[in-house]
Amino acid sequence: KAGVTQTPRYLIKTRGQQVTLSCSPISGHRSVSWYQQTPGQGLQFLFEYFSETQRNKGNFPGRFSGRQFSNSRSEMNVSTLELGDSALYLCASSPEGGSVETQYFGPGTRLLVL
Amino acid sequence: DQQVKQNSPSLSVQEGRISILNCDYTNSMFDYFLWYKKYPAEGPTFLISISSIKDKNEDGRFTVFLNKSAKHLSLHIVPSQPGDSAVYFCAASAAGGYQKVTFGTGTKLQVIP
Repeated sequence: KAGVTQTPRYLIKTRGQQVTLSCSPISGHRSVSWYQQTPGQGLQFLFEYFSETQRNKGNFPGRFSGRQFSNSRSEMNVSTLELGDSALYLCASSPEGGSVETQYFGPGTRLLVL
Repeated sequence: DQQVKQNSPSLSVQEGRISILNCDYTNSMFDYFLWYKKYPAEGPTFLISISSIKDKNEDGRFTVFLNKSAKHLSLHIVPSQPGDSAVYFCAASAAGGYQKVTFGTGTKLQVIP
């Protein structure tokens, strides 16, 4: 079974631009969560989608948004990029009824904002 | 406010010896704790977990200890192997928010052959 895939793997943007990251979950998984990893903060939960609905949300500004499609693929969008948005963005999928242990992470998208 | 803290950014251990990775938390609502391992260019993978009703959980070479009164947990790896070299993240979650896991900043473990 293929793992979680994320595209693109690397991205360079400039301040003020917007960016869209994509995540394809493991086949059959309907929950997709997004995390931001920075050296000083570790992994921080952004939001979780299940069956095209946002089910949980972390403490990030409204510039961070996401959506999930009917095939469970998810996208994350960051508008008006700031230098502090430079980070590794990880998505994780889990099966319906799964627990935190059954989150499978993708390799991440490394975003650099100049 | 870092609710889950891993104060040691790195740790070096000789192969065959014990590796002890530490984690402290501040939120009393946390009732489930996890450790993840992350290799470069890969996402974190779940390693071991412990519920707050326990003080120890063992899985092969990996044991997690929880001290609720001190709000402290530790991961013991015995014996350490070179393949254990990775970044280890401590994480915690509270009841009702199973997907809202709070992670620490990670400890990079190097096992020296």
